[in-house]
Amino acid sequence: GQNIDQPTEMTATEGAIVQINCTYQTSGFNGLFWYQQHAGEAPTFLSYNVLDGLEEKGRFSSFLSRSKGYSYLLLKELQMKDSASYLCAVTPPGRYGGATNKLIFGTGTLLAVQP
Amino acid sequence: EAQVTQNPRYLITVTGKKLTVTCSQNMNHEYMSWYRQDPGLGLRQIYYSMNVEVTDKGDVPEGYKVSRKEKRNFPLILESPSPNQTSLYFCASRGLENTIYFGEGSWLTVV
Repeated sequence: GQNIDQPTEMTATEGAIVQINCTYQTSGFNGLFWYQQHAGEAPTFLSYNVLDGLEEKGRFSSFLSRSKGYSYLLLKELQMKDSASYLCAVTPPGRYGGATNKLIFGTGTLLAVQP
Repeated sequence: EAQVTQNPRYLITVTGKKLTVTCSQNMNHEYMSWYRQDPGLGLRQIYYSMNVEVTDKGDVPEGYKVSRKEKRNFPLILESPSPNQTSLYFCASRGLENTIYFGEGSWLTVV
């Protein structure tokens, strides 16, 4: 089976730090993506994790634990423009174990940043 | 500039009238796919393509067709649209690196 869970909504304060969690249960695993999506717009790529550990990219960091089926996205020094949906997506292996374009998305976490 | 272009961006159509949403990418990517996004359900993959003439079903393929005759183009075809296909549709492409690029989205309403 394939299942991805994220909190539906979160609220945080400008300048603060927020952590958005994602847990997954999929038949096979070949990497995990985080995307940001503003209302009515296309998702934009934030990060990709395939190995355990923390990947840092400016104000955004993403962590992965494959044994626990768990990832989080950490946003530091929150800005008002960070108000958006954050989508966690898992890519299972292809039919023969290689790369695939198949992506399974969670329903997203709507983050509201308040002044 | 890396781009995924889809057309039309907005369309209202009637039940049963065949329509095609085009998608084109200029990055020479092998992998392309189509998603629909609905409130409370998130992004769901309709079809994907690993290369020219290689396509496969995603999670919600019913009522849709695709073709991949050229690397850059991956049209989505609704042979007989129904109101439950009213949705926001995204085309996406992915290269050897793992960044996936999405088109701007196509808002489709079937009445």
